[in-house]
Amino acid sequence: NAGVTQTPKFRVLKTGQSMTLLCAQDMNHEYMYWYRQDPGMGLRLIHYSVGEGTTAKGEVPDGYNVSRLKKQNFLLGLESAAPSQTSVYFCASSSIRGGTYEQYFGPGTRLTVT
Amino acid sequence: AQKVTQAQTEISVVEKEDVTLDCVYETRDTTYYLFWYKQPPSGELVFLIRRNSFDEQNEISGRYSWNFQKSTSSFNFTITASQVVDSAVYFCALSEAWTGGFKTIFGAGTRLFVKA
Repeated sequence: NAGVTQTPKFRVLKTGQSMTLLCAQDMNHEYMYWYRQDPGMGLRLIHYSVGEGTTAKGEVPDGYNVSRLKKQNFLLGLESAAPSQTSVYFCASSSIRGGTYEQYFGPGTRLTVT
Repeated sequence: AQKVTQAQTEISVVEKEDVTLDCVYETRDTTYYLFWYKQPPSGELVFLIRRNSFDEQNEISGRYSWNFQKSTSSFNFTITASQVVDSAVYFCALSEAWTGGFKTIFGAGTRLFVKA
């Protein structure tokens, strides 16, 4: 039982390049999330999904797109990377069963945009 | 609107001292959940505890204890007899039930240094 996994763990991009971050969970959770973590700002929600085929914007969605074609996977895309997107990205998942809402996080992806 | 305030940016203690991390929240909802997460130097985020708004009973788990007070909108976290391994960033978070949990708001975090 791997929980939540993220690939890659590290990436360096040049301004204007594109990339996709992959998140996978094996807990059969309905909800999945993408956050970014910047120094002194805690975690900010980029996009989230409440089920397969559905996505919604979070607090800081600009410059990112997401897709959830399968229940266990949630992809985060950067179409044209900018230095302001240098951050640590965390994926998380949670279950709606029991209404308890705690989220389980992946190990993070450290992205640097030069 | 939801808001979580962790006023302590950094705390430094010597091993075996007790330390309390403060968390103050704002919500208009009567049904909500509060959480604490730990982020050690390795970077992963670890779920520590969940409390719902109807349960103000304090909780103790080993050296960790949590004090939930609705009257002051606070959910403070105390580590007793701190150890070097407790050094981490600790996040308090709030979910309002009406959003189904997906609008979880995190505080900015408190970085705890425990010196040997």
